[in-house]
Amino acid sequence: AQTVTQSQPEMSVQEAETVTLSCTYDTSESDYYLFWYKQPPSRQMILVIRQEAYKQQNATENRFSVNFQKAAKSFSLKISDSQLGDAAMYFCAYRTATSGTYKYIFGTGTRLKVLA
Amino acid sequence: NAGVMQNPRHLVRRRGQEARLRCSPMKGHSHVYWYRQLPEEGLKFMVYLQKENIIDESGMPKERFSAEFPKEGPSILRIQQVVRGDSAAYFCASSPLTDPHNYGYTFGSGTRLTVV
Repeated sequence: AQTVTQSQPEMSVQEAETVTLSCTYDTSESDYYLFWYKQPPSRQMILVIRQEAYKQQNATENRFSVNFQKAAKSFSLKISDSQLGDAAMYFCAYRTATSGTYKYIFGTGTRLKVLA
Repeated sequence: NAGVMQNPRHLVRRRGQEARLRCSPMKGHSHVYWYRQLPEEGLKFMVYLQKENIIDESGMPKERFSAEFPKEGPSILRIQQVVRGDSAAYFCASSPLTDPHNYGYTFGSGTRLTVV
């Protein structure tokens, strides 16, 4: 069975600085998708970025980028120029690419604090 | 186009009462997924429904929990005879199909159930 591990329960970053959140996963599959979701205090789950395992190029979305290391099964999220609005829980999630599948497997989350 | 709507946002029930959580998917979406988030944990899959059909309920507790998605109206997650351990945030997500492009589901803001 697949597992997702986020080993940093909490991280802090100064406003305008860069922070990296770690995520590792375990799977025997070769094709899958990885996601980072943000959960602010409003509790809304917001998709931040996604990565297809078959793509070597790391995904980027504005200030958010990932470092995807398939062999190491690592999927870290880098937030550049951190803003106060980035403060939230961040969840890493795995999903198999098998047709018709739908289950996400989430990590336990990292709470990001942004210091003014 | 309204997102996934969940209500109530907060629900307090005494032990032994019933809890009904509602989820209205995005317009045009016919697939609904329920996830549960226990305190300090990630989301865990509970059930996947299509209109009038339960496709996968492998994440549902065997007793007291049920879900439906009728032809008309919202999807309902029902918890009978609630216990303190049911206290959690319950999230609903929807998609038009089983997210064939794996863009990532759209989640609602969740219902926080507190059992006292």
